[in-house]
Amino acid sequence: NAGVTQTPKFRILKIGQSMTLQCTQDMNHNYMYWYRQDPGMGLKLIYYSVGAGITDKGEVPNGYNVSRSTTEDFPLRLELAAPSQTSVYFCASRLVGDLSNQPQHFGDGTRLSIL
Amino acid sequence: EDKVVQSPLSLVVHEGDTVTLNCSYEVTNFRSLLWYKQEKKAPTFLFMLTSSGIEKKSGRLSSILDKKELFSILNITATQTGDSAIYLCAVNNQGGKLIFGQGTELSVKP
Repeated sequence: NAGVTQTPKFRILKIGQSMTLQCTQDMNHNYMYWYRQDPGMGLKLIYYSVGAGITDKGEVPNGYNVSRSTTEDFPLRLELAAPSQTSVYFCASRLVGDLSNQPQHFGDGTRLSIL
Repeated sequence: EDKVVQSPLSLVVHEGDTVTLNCSYEVTNFRSLLWYKQEKKAPTFLFMLTSSGIEKKSGRLSSILDKKELFSILNITATQTGDSAIYLCAVNNQGGKLIFGQGTELSVKP
């Protein structure tokens, strides 16, 4: 019963490098989300997706890109890493429908440091 | 602009105390309010509230929503050291976004 799986768990990047944070869920959830959490702060929404092929910006999308080619996968891409992107990144998924209002399920997070 | 505000931001109590955490919100097209507990890793779901005045209870934790005054409280009775965590409140709107508050960091001392 995997739920939401994020990889990698930790990563250190140099300024200007690029990388993709992977997120996959096996619960057939239609909605998926990427958040970042800075020390002592709540979660801020980066991007979200309401289904395969559809993505929308959240509160803090600058410097990130996403894609949703399948229901299961929602990768987050950093093209030119900057120190301000040092954070813990959480992926989440949720089943949303006319008669369904379920809570989000979270992955364990990816701790990213940019030096 | 949608926003969720939690108070206090941090709280230190002793085992056995009762605590009340607050969450107020201003969100367009409210659908539900959720409480999460976050320890070392990902947030763990506690409660989801959609209707005013109906208390949700799980062991020593309980929560209630007031949709007229736009707030919710989370109560923890007979606190234990294992209750030490960050408690996050989040509000869900009709568009599917989940807006989080800053969190309340609770520390329970033996």
